[in-house]
Amino acid sequence: DQQVKQNSPSLSVQEGRISILNCDYTNSMFDYFLWYKKYPAEGPTFLISISSIKDKNEDGRFTVFLNKSAKHLSLHIVPSQPGDSAVYFCAALYNQGGKLIFGQGTELSVKP
Amino acid sequence: DSGVTQTPKHLITATGQRVTLRCSPRSGDLSVYWYQQSLDQGLQFLIQYYNGEERAKGNILERFSAQQFPDLHSELNLSSLELGDSALYFCASSPRGQKTGELFFGEGSRLTVL
Repeated sequence: DQQVKQNSPSLSVQEGRISILNCDYTNSMFDYFLWYKKYPAEGPTFLISISSIKDKNEDGRFTVFLNKSAKHLSLHIVPSQPGDSAVYFCAALYNQGGKLIFGQGTELSVKP
Repeated sequence: DSGVTQTPKHLITATGQRVTLRCSPRSGDLSVYWYQQSLDQGLQFLIQYYNGEERAKGNILERFSAQQFPDLHSELNLSSLELGDSALYFCASSPRGQKTGELFFGEGSRLTVL
């Protein structure tokens, strides 16, 4: 039962353009949604989050959008930089259960 | 550097064996989480401890067990190892009272079962 899904295993974008990473979820009880970034040989690091009562959160070049009716969230990176090349994990938190559930990840490659 | 320390970084062992992975959370963090990342898989939640008590459980196999000690470090024990247990095992910690899901991950322990 995959409650958080990232259907695109990989994404390639030109430097300076927008990167859009997508994530779908099934459980309407999630309280927070997060994006984590992971470089090879390192642990995931927190990038940005959004509460389930919001529909947008912005932090510099990173914006997360939440569409509750579609049970869909997306991460926009503008402009994309080569240093953004990493695996991005979508995650969802159900506070009552205390679990942070991750998607399978999308590998972003930003080409110079 | 997240402040979360995991040992060992790499471990190679044989099927049927037992291993222990160790995690030291960030100073002051009371919660410890264990995740498994297999090849081409996302991060699978295994178990969470809060101040020594088990708080949440994921799809952790019966052959696996964990505990959190009074000094807040945690150990994940994997026994009767199978080839499919080969994976990266991550430990993460979170600050007291944190309810938004922001975790600090260690660099992981790569387990190879031959």
